[in-house]
Amino acid sequence: NAGVTQTPKFQVLKTGQSMTLQCAQDMNHEYMSWYRQDPGMGLRLIHYSVGAGITDQGEVPNGYNVSRSTTEDFPLRLLSAAPSQTSVYFCASSPRSRSLEQYFGPGTRLTVT
Amino acid sequence: GQNIDQPTEMTATEGAIVQINCTYQTSGFNGLFWYQQHAGEAPTFLSYNVLDGLEEKGRFSSFLSRSKGYSYLLLKELQMKDSASYLCAAYNFNKFYFGSGTKLNVKP
Repeated sequence: NAGVTQTPKFQVLKTGQSMTLQCAQDMNHEYMSWYRQDPGMGLRLIHYSVGAGITDQGEVPNGYNVSRSTTEDFPLRLLSAAPSQTSVYFCASSPRSRSLEQYFGPGTRLTVT
Repeated sequence: GQNIDQPTEMTATEGAIVQINCTYQTSGFNGLFWYQQHAGEAPTFLSYNVLDGLEEKGRFSSFLSRSKGYSYLLLKELQMKDSASYLCAAYNFNKFYFGSGTKLNVKP
């Protein structure tokens, strides 16, 4: 199993550009989530999904969209990048029904100039 | 609102025991998680408490008191590789709320 994979590892965007951060898991996990991690602020939940076709907002959803068309994939879209979105983004998945333990991907370091 | 508090930084000596505290105030509560995060890496799961009491996993133990909104992570026989940040997270109905993390420095 590859676990949770994220692409790209690094990305630089200009203000106003849009892009999609990819996340995939091969563990057949129901629950998937996106977090951002900023220095001194811990992880903050952006969006989450409890299954294909179901998504919901977390603590900091503004400026981000998600969709979950398959169990495996959970992409995060930045609609119009802003410098305040400079952060490290982590995707995570959990089997949920068996355990709430989350498995995290390696992260994407995003810089918006 | 959600409020998760933990100390910013702690220092301990190799071979010693250290306790990292976490207090939480959330509008609902279904469990408390602890994760370890080495610098530049992703968090990895350590432990999970739903009910009051102590959960032990090798050198790591975690305690929860729901009535006090309090948890701690106990690390025994500290090793240099335990130098990392430790994140506590409160879980409530599909949402995880993380504290800012406690950076643990282990000295020889």
